[in-house]
Amino acid sequence: AQTVTQSQPEMSVQEAETVTLSCTYDTSESDYYLFWYKQPPSRQMILVIRQEAYKQQNATENRFSVNFQKAAKSFSLKISDSQLGDAAMYFCAYSPSGTYKYIFGTGTRLKVLA
Amino acid sequence: DTAVSQTPKYLVTQMGNDKSIKCEQNLGHDTMYWYKQDSKKFLKIMFSYNNKELIINETVPNRFSPKSPDKAHLNLHINSLELGDSAVYFCASRRLAGTGELFFGEGSRLTVL
Repeated sequence: AQTVTQSQPEMSVQEAETVTLSCTYDTSESDYYLFWYKQPPSRQMILVIRQEAYKQQNATENRFSVNFQKAAKSFSLKISDSQLGDAAMYFCAYSPSGTYKYIFGTGTRLKVLA
Repeated sequence: DTAVSQTPKYLVTQMGNDKSIKCEQNLGHDTMYWYKQDSKKFLKIMFSYNNKELIINETVPNRFSPKSPDKAHLNLHINSLELGDSAVYFCASRRLAGTGELFFGEGSRLTVL
């Protein structure tokens, strides 16, 4: 079965510091997408960053970057220069290309300390 | 214009009642989903539709019945509500051949008393 695991239920980071959120997944597929979504207290789910499995280069979006290790089936999110507005639940998600499956991890609550 | 809109955003109702949540997307997407987010924030897929056709039907009680009148709409009807149905229900859409990004509605918080 395809699963997504986030082993850190909660993380804290000092404002302006860097934090890394972990995600591992299990699949036998070779072509798929990986995502990180953010859910602030407002409840709205927002895409932070996405990675296509066939691309070796790690995706980057401003202060957000990923460390994608395909062989290890690991997809961690690094947030640099953390800001108070980064405080939220972060969900890792997996979707095999061309399919309807879209599986979310259990989430990591990120607290940003002033 | 909101890309994926759900109504209502909040429902409070008694056990045993029937309720519906409506979802509409104006993004031209061909695939829509219903997810349930429980109190621990777990996001569990319930249903997926592609061009009005049911594709994914996870282990969900028969009291939950989705309906897709057209590919822009996916509604969720719940019969005989139970306490355990209390959750936030999210509608989402995507283009299957697109970037893979899911676009979410704001969620509908259902509270069953």
